[in-house]
Amino acid sequence: DIQMTQSPSTLSASVGDSVTITCRASQSISSWLAWYQQKPGRAPKLLIQKASSLESGVPSRFSGSGSGTDFTLTISSLQPDDFATYYCQQYHSYPYTFGQGTKLEIK
Amino acid sequence: QVQLQQWGAGLLRPSETLLLTCAVYSGSFSGYYWSWIRLSPEKGLEWIGEINHSGSTDYNPSLKSRVTLSVDTSKNQFSLKLTSVTAADTAIYYCARDASGNSREGWFDPWGQGILVTVSS
Repeated sequence: DIQMTQSPSTLSASVGDSVTITCRASQSISSWLAWYQQKPGRAPKLLIQKASSLESGVPSRFSGSGSGTDFTLTISSLQPDDFATYYCQQYHSYPYTFGQGTKLEIK
Repeated sequence: QVQLQQWGAGLLRPSETLLLTCAVYSGSFSGYYWSWIRLSPEKGLEWIGEINHSGSTDYNPSLKSRVTLSVDTSKNQFSLKLTSVTAADTAIYYCARDASGNSREGWFDPWGQGILVTVSS
């Protein structure tokens, strides 16, 4: 299985900050990577697929980059609604696997 | 827009069988693959398997011996059966659509609301 490692596990930031979450794959996954946002008691929500393609309706302050094994999710000018847990997921090969999550907390 | 609604038993005893169903509303059923994914504190998000309208499946090898996915196209529903559950199967279970359609790329949108399944004696 392809292992997905996110860092950091927890991130404290303030409204208006810019933050970056990193996701590393144990082998090359080209650009077959998605990012999700999950809030407590809710299902994950797709933000980005194919490493950098922003889903319709997702604010432009979210952006994704990377290819191969190293990927980033950047949120610029954090808004109160952005404090949540973020997961990356590879879909290069079966079984699909997820990172362990990054919890973005209010400082 | 497509919505997924899921249901099933939330409390099981060890060795029992988990059975969950997910219904698809307001969207195409045959044009997509449908997955089950679970979230637990120990393992995080774990993909369980997928199925399409014709019953073609793929399973996570870690669960394959205990999992069966099935589909009822007349009702636009698909189901998960997991046998011989243990405490390690305690998790929130989600159904989800592979939003890439028949290209079966493997990214998920939308997700069902989730069901907490607890395995305890």
